[in-house]
Amino acid sequence: ILNVEQSPQSLHVQEGDSTNFTCSFPSSNFYALHWYRWETAKSPEALFVMTLNGDEKKKGRISATLNTKEGYSYLYIKGSQPEDSATYLCAFTKSGYSTLTFGKGTMLLVSP
Amino acid sequence: EAQVTQNPRYLITVTGKKLTVTCSQNMNHEYMSWYRQDPGLGLRQIYYSMNVEVTDKGDVPEGYKVSRKEKRNFPLILESPSPNQTSLYFCASSFTGDEKLFFGSGTQLSVL
Repeated sequence: ILNVEQSPQSLHVQEGDSTNFTCSFPSSNFYALHWYRWETAKSPEALFVMTLNGDEKKKGRISATLNTKEGYSYLYIKGSQPEDSATYLCAFTKSGYSTLTFGKGTMLLVSP
Repeated sequence: EAQVTQNPRYLITVTGKKLTVTCSQNMNHEYMSWYRQDPGLGLRQIYYSMNVEVTDKGDVPEGYKVSRKEKRNFPLILESPSPNQTSLYFCASSFTGDEKLFFGSGTQLSVL
């Protein structure tokens, strides 16, 4: 079983704060790194899929970076809003494998 | 509308009574997968399927069966449910195993 670690486990910020989370994964035989957003009582929804070292992706106020050599990815949220409150999951695919291994997630709460 | 349809949303059953959770996708995805979500453990893969008649074990397959007779359907079968299978279950699909996943709405299963 591959080890995918996310930190922090939870985070509470004020509206307007910018924040970031970390996902760590095995750096050997890397294939792809996914980020998902999971709101309470809903299903996880894909934010980004990144495959290349140095990849940066952006979707509105949310962006992500990828470092495959050292095995980490950062997810940034600029100017957090209450509707950003959710659990953010990262998932890793190893080269030659057809399965995603998920981290336990970072739970974000944004207070008005 | 492109979607993954999972039924039922909620299910309460008793130990040993066989049950099936259905999953269907209308996106012509080749890859389908089942996950369970337990507090503090993150999403863990039960079984996955790369295509029709091709299935493989994930990280926690014990006590579960699957079948992939048609491309669109991937039912999860619990032949003899036990209380430790009480969990939130998600079906997901994608074009290939390493592209972004589309999740069903989840099934909350309680085994008494």
